[in-house]
Amino acid sequence: SQQGEEDPQALSIQEGENATMNCSYKTSINNLQWYRQNSGRGLVHLILIRSNEREKHSGRLRVTLDTSKKSSSLLITASRAADTASYFCATDAGTSYGKLTFGQGTILTVHP
Amino acid sequence: GAVVSQHPSRVICKSGTSVKIECRSLDFQATTMFWYRQFPKQSLMLMATSNEGSKATYEQGVEKDKFLINHASLTLSTLTVTSAHPEDSSFYICSARPGPLRFFGPGTRLTVL
Repeated sequence: SQQGEEDPQALSIQEGENATMNCSYKTSINNLQWYRQNSGRGLVHLILIRSNEREKHSGRLRVTLDTSKKSSSLLITASRAADTASYFCATDAGTSYGKLTFGQGTILTVHP
Repeated sequence: GAVVSQHPSRVICKSGTSVKIECRSLDFQATTMFWYRQFPKQSLMLMATSNEGSKATYEQGVEKDKFLINHASLTLSTLTVTSAHPEDSSFYICSARPGPLRFFGPGTRLTVL
C-alpha cells in the first residue's frame, strides 16, 4: 500500500516561478527520496535526505524534512519548461532489503 | 551513475499468453531488485522484492503464481506475467540498488489484448 500522500496532485505554473510540492508519510523512516518521472519513462533520482537531516540543496532543488510532522517538501526554484514531469517522494523505512514506498505524486506543468 | 536496463520496452500480447520482462544492472551487482507496477497517472506500487539465489518476497495482494520472479544472477532479474489478461496491462518498472540509492529501469509497457 502507498504510504505517502503528496499535494498538490497537479501544479501548473509559468516558467521562472517556483514550484513547491509536499509529501506526507505515516511510519518512521531511514531516509526520504524524491524522484522525477517524465511521461511513460523510468524514474530519475533527484535527492535523498536522511532522517537526521532537516534540509538539503542540490542545484535548483531544495528539500526539507520534518520528521515530527512526517512530512517533506520539494522546492524547485526558477522553474523551466523542461521541469515538466511527475514528481514522487519515496520513503525508505530501513528494512533489510531497503524497499521504497512511493507517494501518489505531483504532476508539474511548467508553461513557457 | 549506475544503469539499469529493461527489455522489452514495449510488448503487446494476446490474452492468455505469458510475457517475460528482463531487468539488468549493467555496471554493478545487485543482490536485491524490486519490481513495481504503475497504472496510468498513478504512483508506483511495489509488487515484489527479488533476491538473488532465493525466493522473491511478494507484497500483500500480489499473486506469486501469476507474477513469477527469477533472480538467477547478480545482474539479472526476470518477471514473468503468466496467462496475462487485459487487467494486467500496465507499466512495469524494476529497480536495483548498489547502495542507499536506487536506480530504475526505463520501464516496460505491457498491453494485453
